Amino acid sequence: GAGVSQSPRYKVAKRGQDVALRCDPISGHVSLFWYQQALGQGPEFLTYFQNEAQLDKSGLPSDRFFAERPEGSVSTLKIQRTQQEDSAVYLCASSLVGGTDNEQFFGPGTRLTVL
Amino acid sequence: LAKTTQPISMDSYEGQEVNITCSHNNIATNDYITWYQQFPSQGPRFIIQGYKTKVTNEVASLFIPADRKSSTLSLPRVSLSDTAVYYCLVGDARGAGNNRKLIWGLGTSLAVNP
Repeated sequence: GAGVSQSPRYKVAKRGQDVALRCDPISGHVSLFWYQQALGQGPEFLTYFQNEAQLDKSGLPSDRFFAERPEGSVSTLKIQRTQQEDSAVYLCASSLVGGTDNEQFFGPGTRLTVL
Repeated sequence: LAKTTQPISMDSYEGQEVNITCSHNNIATNDYITWYQQFPSQGPRFIIQGYKTKVTNEVASLFIPADRKSSTLSLPRVSLSDTAVYYCLVGDARGAGNNRKLIWGLGTSLAVNP
């Protein structure tokens, strides 16, 4: 069956460019999460959606980061005016029900490199 | 702030049992303890979750003492393919209800040798 997919898998951006990262969760999954994972570190929570509602965005590092899930399925993470410190793997995960302590299914991630 | 502490790395050999212990002194009453596995260049994968005592599934066991301030992930008879990073997670007690975000630490890098 289809798992969580993310696109693009790799993205190279020049500093100052805007990027958009897409996440297709497992069909029917209520919850969707975005994480940022720097090299050698664990995933850092960015934001959490329950259906189309963004219930927690406390992990977004600055107002340059914006996430949406307008129809409660596909989600987009947008980073404006990218900086070198934004270079990381961005992981998306979904889970079947609401809440944050249920099994999360992760996508392969998008590796963002900002030059 | 709920925080977990795990060994940074562990070494083992094929066929051995591996136990990874995680401490979480500030675990909240309603928090579950969850373990994930991550291979290089892949997203993490759920292994097991528990609240108290012992939980076992087809890949691992999770032992949680009565005070819930620590937990131990047990991997029976590891193989080379178990080489990965293992993360122990508990809910972030700053939040409320079941929407507290999970805190991921650095994880334990397990190397299984032939």
